[in-house]
Amino acid sequence: AQSVTQLDSQVPVFEEAPVELRCNYSSSVSVYLFWYVQYPNQGLQLLLKYLSGSTLVKGINGFEAEFNKSQTSFHLRKPSVHISDTAEYFCAVSETGYGGSQGNLIFGKGTKLSVKP
Amino acid sequence: EAGVAQSPRYKIIEKRQSVAFWCNPISGHATLYWYQQILGQGPKLLIQFQNNGVVDDSQLPKDRFSAERLKGVDSTLKIQPAKLEDSAVYLCASSLDQVRTEAFFGQGTRLTVV
Repeated sequence: AQSVTQLDSQVPVFEEAPVELRCNYSSSVSVYLFWYVQYPNQGLQLLLKYLSGSTLVKGINGFEAEFNKSQTSFHLRKPSVHISDTAEYFCAVSETGYGGSQGNLIFGKGTKLSVKP
Repeated sequence: EAGVAQSPRYKIIEKRQSVAFWCNPISGHATLYWYQQILGQGPKLLIQFQNNGVVDDSQLPKDRFSAERLKGVDSTLKIQPAKLEDSAVYLCASSLDQVRTEAFFGQGTRLTVV
């Protein structure tokens, strides 16, 4: 079974500052890794995903994440945040291989990013 | 391209009543998912369909929840009877296929059980 831990429930940061949202996972099988963003009263939007290959993944809105297999982490980073980045961010995993699905996801509890002017 | 459509957006019911949610996936998407998101938690998968067949319903509370995807397109999720702990946002998602493509989510239906 897989599990996802998002270490910070809330992260306040000033506009134009860098930010890192932390995510660790546990799994006995190989996994795909995802970050989703959820704006108030909206569904989830995919920011980026790691399937294979380069461990540094670039996504939309200037976000990037790095897969670290030895530390079982997939932290999300942005060098300079904007007010519009205020939202809740979810890290998720899914199994690879037979029976795996990029939509059959195990989510963390989320991190609320609050960007202040 | 139209996104995943869900209705209603909001629903308030009394406990022990029944309720149904509707989802229309992105055109051509074979895989459909229903998730439950309780306040303060991440979404939890309830059921996954591939066309009109169930792939995974291991976390669906089958004594009160049911879902169907007739004709492999639209889907409905029903709760009967509802309990207070069913208050949550119910998200529908779809993907082109099961493995190679990511899921796209609808805006969700917020259910409040009083």
